[in-house]
Amino acid sequence: AQSVAQPEDQVNVAEGNPLTVKCTYSVSGNPYLFWYVQYPNRGLQFLLKYITGDNLVKGSYGFEAEFNKSQTSFHLKKPSALVSDSALYFCAVRDLRNAGNNRKLIWGLGTSLAVNP
Amino acid sequence: NAGVTQTPKFRVLKTGQSMTLLCAQDMNHEYMYWYRQDPGMGLRLIHYSVGEGTTAKGEVPDGYNVSRLKKQNFLLGLESAAPSQTSVYFCASSYSGGRSYEQYFGPGTRLTVT
Repeated sequence: AQSVAQPEDQVNVAEGNPLTVKCTYSVSGNPYLFWYVQYPNRGLQFLLKYITGDNLVKGSYGFEAEFNKSQTSFHLKKPSALVSDSALYFCAVRDLRNAGNNRKLIWGLGTSLAVNP
Repeated sequence: NAGVTQTPKFRVLKTGQSMTLLCAQDMNHEYMYWYRQDPGMGLRLIHYSVGEGTTAKGEVPDGYNVSRLKKQNFLLGLESAAPSQTSVYFCASSYSGGRSYEQYFGPGTRLTVT
């Protein structure tokens, strides 16, 4: 079965501290992995993706993510959190369950990140 | 480029009323998607389209219909609204070439059915 899990509903971190938002996946085949951010009352914004290559992927707003094949994880990280990073974060993986090239994604349930001043 | 736009931004319906949500994209994307977002349930795919004139069912298609008469537009219809359809609706689009699986989202439509 293909799935994505975000084990933490909420993450709290102090401003200036490093942050990690966790994501684990289960897929058959090569995973294409994505992170999105959703600010309050806004649509989702693409942050970064892993397709192949270097396990450390850099994205927008200073975020990066580390692909770990053995642990089937794709955790989102940032060295120094900002209050403005407070938002809902979604992990997603390419959906390979059905034949056909439909470019669907399987979504995690989201993790709410709160960065405290 | 405006990206993905959605009309309207907010709507209140009474049970049994109908409405159409419009999604438009100016990125020449082949693929378009309609999602609903509910607290604690993440994003759920309602319907999607892999090209002009094509549509397909997603995870939660019941009570909704869609049409893709033009490549840039993807319409979501509710024929007889129910309170269970109170949600925030997002449209997204993606490019069909190479490994470009990322989807680009509109700002959402907040629908309340009373």
